[in-house]
This record gives sequence, C-alpha cells and structure tokens, in this order.
Amino acid sequence: GEDVEQSLFLSVREGDSSVINCTYTDSSSTYLYWYKQEPGAGLQLLTYIFSNMDMKQDQRLTVLLNKKDKHLSLRIADTQTGDSAIYFCAEKGGTNAGKSTFGDGTTLTVKP
Amino acid sequence: DAGVTQSPTHLIKTRGQQVTLRCSPISGHKSVSWYQQVLGQGPQFIFQYYEKEERGRGNFPDRFSARQFPNYSSELNVNALLLGDSALYLCASSSFASQLTNEKQFFGSGTQLSVL
Repeated sequence: GEDVEQSLFLSVREGDSSVINCTYTDSSSTYLYWYKQEPGAGLQLLTYIFSNMDMKQDQRLTVLLNKKDKHLSLRIADTQTGDSAIYFCAEKGGTNAGKSTFGDGTTLTVKP
Repeated sequence: DAGVTQSPTHLIKTRGQQVTLRCSPISGHKSVSWYQQVLGQGPQFIFQYYEKEERGRGNFPDRFSARQFPNYSSELNVNALLLGDSALYLCASSSFASQLTNEKQFFGSGTQLSVL
C-alpha cells in the first residue's frame, strides 16, 4: 500500500532556512501536500504540488519534487519562531481518489 | 465564511460505549472526509463521502460508520469503543471528489476523544 516517510525532528536557528524531507511509495500520486499543525489545532494546508511539476514557490515556501526518486521537500526561508510546529507531508491519488496518506510529521523547533 | 466546524471539541467515554462526532463542511463543499490521528502519528483516512455516498473507506473495523446528510454535514459513529480509539478525529471538506481536480482539503480543529 501507500506509505509516506518523514524524519521526526528538525531544529534550526531563527533566520536560517529549514528543509523538511519526505519520501513516498505510490507512483500514481497525483498531488503532494504540506500541512502545518500547531498544538491543539487541526491541519493547515501550507502548499501543494501537482505530480507533473518539479518545483513550486510560494513566498517563503519552496517545494521541490523528484518524481523519479519519490522525494518531496519543503524549504522555509528566513525561519521564524512562529514556524515552530509539526509539518506533515501527504499524497493523494492512486486507486482511492478520496484518500490522502500522511507521514507521521516532522517537529520543527526554531531557536531564537 | 465559516471554516470546517466539528463538535464536540472534547469527549470522554468508557470502553464499550458508542460515540457520534459531527462535522459541518465549508459552505458549498460537497465532500467530507474523516481521519483519525493518534498522538505522535499522522492522520489515518477513515471515510470519504461525496454527495451523500461513500466514496472511499480506509482500513478500519466495521465498528466505524459514517453518513452524510442532504446539507452535506456528516456524522462519524464508533460503536463498542476500545481504549485504542482514543485519538483526535479530524474532518476535512473539499469541493470535489475526483483526484483529477485540484482537491484542496480544509480541516477542522478536530474532536479529541478519550476512552477510559
């Protein structure tokens, strides 16, 4: 079945760039997403990329997709303390159109 | 416009009981999906409903059921609760059901269910 893997933790200093990585197994994935979750809250959609693209930039966020290696990354430029949260990678597509498969999240800690 | 609303926000039940969770999608959205998020893990897909029909089901036992009403709101029911059902239950709404469209899902804040 589909699987999405992420590293569990990342710590950076305020003002540095953060790069969160994700790998997935479903070669028929259509869309790939990045969500942010703060304590006690639901998921906030940050950005997404269609599978026929290799890069998407949205303000401080840059998504890179290597479809051959099934590798997705999220770069956050000029990371701020307010960016501290759990970041989830997710993919949609394949045989069950209504289903998104999520990784277990990367906890980003931004130190002042 | 209101986002996705879920009720209740918190719930405490005992083993063997039944629970009903409610979700109202964003106005105009016809698709509702339910996810279970156990502490420390990512959300796991339970169901998707579109136009009041089940369009997808995850790997959950038959104790889990759901339905969607004519106004597109949805209920998730869980029978014979187990300790392992303790989790954050998230509802997401979107405009379309097909993977071929730009289907952005918008999540509610969830219902935190504790089973004692």
